[in-house]
Amino acid sequence: KAGVTQTPRYLIKTRGQQVTLSCSPISGHRSVSWYQQTPGQGLQFLFEYFSETQRNKGNFPGRFSGRQFSNSRSEMNVSTLELGDSALYLCASSPAGDRSPANYGYTFGSGTRLTVV
Amino acid sequence: AQSVTQPDIHITVSEGASLELRCNYSYGATPYLFWYVQSPGQGLQLLLKYFSGDTLVQGIKGFEAEFKRSQSSFNLRKPSVHWSDAAEYFCAVGVGGYPKVTFGTGTKLQVIP
Repeated sequence: KAGVTQTPRYLIKTRGQQVTLSCSPISGHRSVSWYQQTPGQGLQFLFEYFSETQRNKGNFPGRFSGRQFSNSRSEMNVSTLELGDSALYLCASSPAGDRSPANYGYTFGSGTRLTVV
Repeated sequence: AQSVTQPDIHITVSEGASLELRCNYSYGATPYLFWYVQSPGQGLQLLLKYFSGDTLVQGIKGFEAEFKRSQSSFNLRKPSVHWSDAAEYFCAVGVGGYPKVTFGTGTKLQVIP
């Protein structure tokens, strides 16, 4: 069974640019969550998508957005990049259905390391 | 809202020694509890989880954790540490009805020969 696939693994962008990250969850998983990990803030919840709908959202500015496709693949987008957006972005796949991923836990991808210069 | 505390930021143990990583959570009811491990530059791998039932949970790589309701703790243990266990360990809590899993700040484990 294939794991969670995140692409690309590494990105270097300039301030003001935008970036799109991709995540393919485990086959059959319809819930995809995104987390930002930084040394200072730890793991912070960005949002969760389920059946192509954003079901939950963390406390991030509107520059952070995402979407989910009918095959459950998800993308997140960050516009107008700032230096502080440099982080490891982790995608988390869950078998959650009507219930929250909190009831099941996650399987994580290897992450995308974003560096903003 | 639920919270997770990992009081030890960094722990150093000798190879072959026993290990215990501490985790305390804050929530009134019984939460869902998880331990994850992260190697440098990688994602998080699930070591074990507790949902209900037996309070001693066995996981992968020889790890176990014990849920103690009276102490609101879910400490991770391993009887004999290997050099390959050097990584960062995250305790996490999920509460039914809440939209996400909340992670602790992590404990970095260093293993010395």
